[in-house]
Amino acid sequence: AQSVTQLGSHVSVSEGALVLLRCNYSSSVPPYLFWYVQYPNQGLQLLLKYTTGATLVKGINGFEAEFKKSETSFHLTKPSAHMSDAAEYFCAALMDSSYKLIFGSGTRLLVRP
Amino acid sequence: AAGVIQSPRHLIKEKRETATLKCYPIPRHDTVYWYQQGPGQDPQFLISFYEKMQSDKGSIPDRFSAQQFSDYHSELNMSSLELGDSALYFCASSSLEPGQGAYNEQFFGPGTRLTVL
Repeated sequence: AQSVTQLGSHVSVSEGALVLLRCNYSSSVPPYLFWYVQYPNQGLQLLLKYTTGATLVKGINGFEAEFKKSETSFHLTKPSAHMSDAAEYFCAALMDSSYKLIFGSGTRLLVRP
Repeated sequence: AAGVIQSPRHLIKEKRETATLKCYPIPRHDTVYWYQQGPGQDPQFLISFYEKMQSDKGSIPDRFSAQQFSDYHSELNMSSLELGDSALYFCASSSLEPGQGAYNEQFFGPGTRLTVL
């Protein structure tokens, strides 16, 4: 079955440190990939997306992600964490021309002062 | 810019009651998706509609039904509510973009938080 896997349900970093949230997908055909952020009691906000073209995509709030077909990965990074980055992050995919998003289980990012 | 509107934002119901959640898509969007996010869980796809017809179906219980109306708004009807139905229900909307193949970015609403007591 097609799936999206996020390694680490919780990631804790110090303010100013590198943020790395991992996402892998399982699909024979490269899907369209997305990262969403969810702040407490709020909806899902799109951070960035990969459809076709450049494999390194830049999003809002200084985040970026790189699509690596050989590793079936789409990890999210940010060079320097800010306290306001503390939230839940979901990786999601559109696979096989299906119109429904398949979400990973989410990673809660904690930022220490 | 106009966003997806969901109402109500919060809803409290008793077991075995019914609930109706509404979703108003972004203007000119013709596709609506419903997702359910249980406490501490990832969003799960329930059902979608394109041009008022059901386009896909996920893990939606038989107690739930949904439809899309002529103005493209959608309603999710939930009957015989159970404690396990307590969740955040998201609606998303999109429009097919010519030349983009199957890609159609989904814009999410703020969600309706349903609590079943």
